[in-house]
Amino acid sequence: KNQVEQSPQSLIILEGKNCTLQCNYTVSPFSNLRWYKQDTGRGPVSLTIMTFSENTKSNGRYTATLDADTKQSSLHITASQLSDSASYICVACSNDYKLSFGAGTTVTVRA
Amino acid sequence: ETGVTQTPRHLVMGMTNKKSLKCEQHLGHNAMYWYKQSAKKPLELMFVYNFKEQTENNSVPSRFSPECPNSSHLFLHLHTLQPEDSALYLCASSQDSANTGELFFGEGSRLTVL
Repeated sequence: KNQVEQSPQSLIILEGKNCTLQCNYTVSPFSNLRWYKQDTGRGPVSLTIMTFSENTKSNGRYTATLDADTKQSSLHITASQLSDSASYICVACSNDYKLSFGAGTTVTVRA
Repeated sequence: ETGVTQTPRHLVMGMTNKKSLKCEQHLGHNAMYWYKQSAKKPLELMFVYNFKEQTENNSVPSRFSPECPNSSHLFLHLHTLQPEDSALYLCASSQDSANTGELFFGEGSRLTVL
């Protein structure tokens, strides 16, 4: 069973609206949680990295949250733009430096 | 120059062909990785090299053969592949394989096996 589960698998939102992506992980012992953005046909690009002591981290219109107790993370996109259309991948890193990848959430922003 | 460069970006090959994927990083990193990304599936780690030495082979079939001549270059030699090997192959690098730091990916090589 994969140690990182993301939901929803895909979503469609209108330009200017907000959305939230969810990530649940079972990686233990836990070191950090990462979110990547992957545009179609491109490689993943890092958005945020959070350690267990961080609750929230922002990168422009992207805000990630982390609850290390419940092993949940979310990525919130504010005032979405067409360029936000991409796959968003959640990655949990263990203390022995093993990365577990989620299958990603595909976001489509429509005008 | 972009941080991690992969060539070719697209490759179509028959099951009996031999081809190679190339990756070069310009970030001064010491660790390099090959990942396989299939549609709707999580990235699968294939190989890890740290300071040119292979430190991880994630039970990859021998038809995939990696080569790391130095810390900046990584190759994936392909031979007698199967159609199910069609995927996006991503190269990545990090400061070292004690992977608490950021992982930088290339744009990927889209492989189609006929």
